Amino acid sequence: AQTVTQSQPEMSVQEAETVTLSCTYDTSENNYYLFWYKQPPSRQMILVIRQEAYKQQNATENRFSVNFQKAAKSFSLKISDSQLGDTAMYFCSLDSSYKLIFGSGTRLLVRP
Amino acid sequence: DTGVSQNPRHKITKRGQNVTFRCDPISEHNRLYWYRQTLGQGPEFLTYFQNEAQLEKSRLLSDRFSAERPKGSFSTLEIQRTEQGDSAMYLCASSLRTLDEQYFGPGTRLTVT
Repeated sequence: AQTVTQSQPEMSVQEAETVTLSCTYDTSENNYYLFWYKQPPSRQMILVIRQEAYKQQNATENRFSVNFQKAAKSFSLKISDSQLGDTAMYFCSLDSSYKLIFGSGTRLLVRP
Repeated sequence: DTGVSQNPRHKITKRGQNVTFRCDPISEHNRLYWYRQTLGQGPEFLTYFQNEAQLEKSRLLSDRFSAERPKGSFSTLEIQRTEQGDSAMYLCASSLRTLDEQYFGPGTRLTVT
């Protein structure tokens, strides 16, 4: 069975500082993708960043970067220079075929 | 707006009634997914279409649930004889290819009283 675990239900960070959200996963597949999705309050889910498992280089999208440790099955998200608009639920997810398996989410609050 | 749309956005129904939700995916996307999200949890996969073919159904999808995607365009999710445990946000997503980014709609929030 494939699972995704997010062990931090809530986190907060001061505006302009850096925060790291943790995620571990389990899969027996060799070809899979990992994603971080953001769900702002009362708004729809949007993709933050994706990582192909076959790529060793960590993905980066502007202020967002990941630390992908394939052997450890770890996929953390680092948000640099946090902004008020980053306040949201963040979901780590795994896709090995056709469906996304989501973690339970981390609620991030950016404090002014 | 060329994103995924869902209707209605909110639905309140009495236990035992039938409800139907609609999802319009991004036009060129041939893959369409339904997820259910309860408060404070991540979305859970319900079912998946490639064009008009329903290829996978989760065990979460009981016999009271049925989904269709006629002509590979929009999709409907029907829940018959609703129960209070069906109260959740129902999310639709679409993608162009397998393992591609899935684009999510705003969801339909169902409340069963």
